[in-house]
Amino acid sequence: AQSVSQHNHHVILSEAASLELGCNYSYGGTVNLFWYVQYPGQHLQLLLKYFSGDPLVKGIKGFEAEFIKSKFSFNLRKPSVQWSDTAEYFCAVLGLDNTDKLIFGTGTRLQVFP
Amino acid sequence: GAVVSQHPSWVICKSGTSVKIECRSLDFQATTMFWYRQFPKQSLMLMATSNEGSKATYEQGVEKDKFLINHASLTLSTLTVTSAHPEDSSFYICSARDEFSTTSAYNEQFFGPGTRLTVL
Repeated sequence: AQSVSQHNHHVILSEAASLELGCNYSYGGTVNLFWYVQYPGQHLQLLLKYFSGDPLVKGIKGFEAEFIKSKFSFNLRKPSVQWSDTAEYFCAVLGLDNTDKLIFGTGTRLQVFP
Repeated sequence: GAVVSQHPSWVICKSGTSVKIECRSLDFQATTMFWYRQFPKQSLMLMATSNEGSKATYEQGVEKDKFLINHASLTLSTLTVTSAHPEDSSFYICSARDEFSTTSAYNEQFFGPGTRLTVL
């Protein structure tokens, strides 16, 4: 069965600090990978996605993620966070043998202080 | 483009009553929509896949008689929580795939803003 682990439950950073949020998944086949962000009081928005090709994907607002197939990982990074990045971040995986089932990680709450 | 709306955004009801939540794709057609449930400080859990013109597919452990799903058109799916009880209080989120898009990938889901249900 598919599963997604996000090891960082709560991250607190100062502005301009670098960010890396871990995401590991468990699945034996080909996957599509996603990072979503949920700002306070708002709906889920797609940050970036990996379907195929270059394993380093760039998303909106300066975020990027690297798919490392051998490690089953898809960590999210940003070199310099801003206060406005304060939000909940969710990693999600879609196994391509069941494209109706998007599995989410437990989420990471990021707080950025000025 | 690819906007999904939900109505209502929040609802409070008495135990034993039924509540209907609507999910609409505003600028695209969706043969498939999804219903998720999110408990406080937890992740989204897929409840069911809503298929236009056919029965919904429910995830294991989700009571189909409790959570009625109707996908009557290509832009509307409804989730009805029947005989709601306090343990049904949660945040319900729908999503939809823009399966006819030439710009977004088939597997990308677009999420609604969610509906907070509180059952007293």
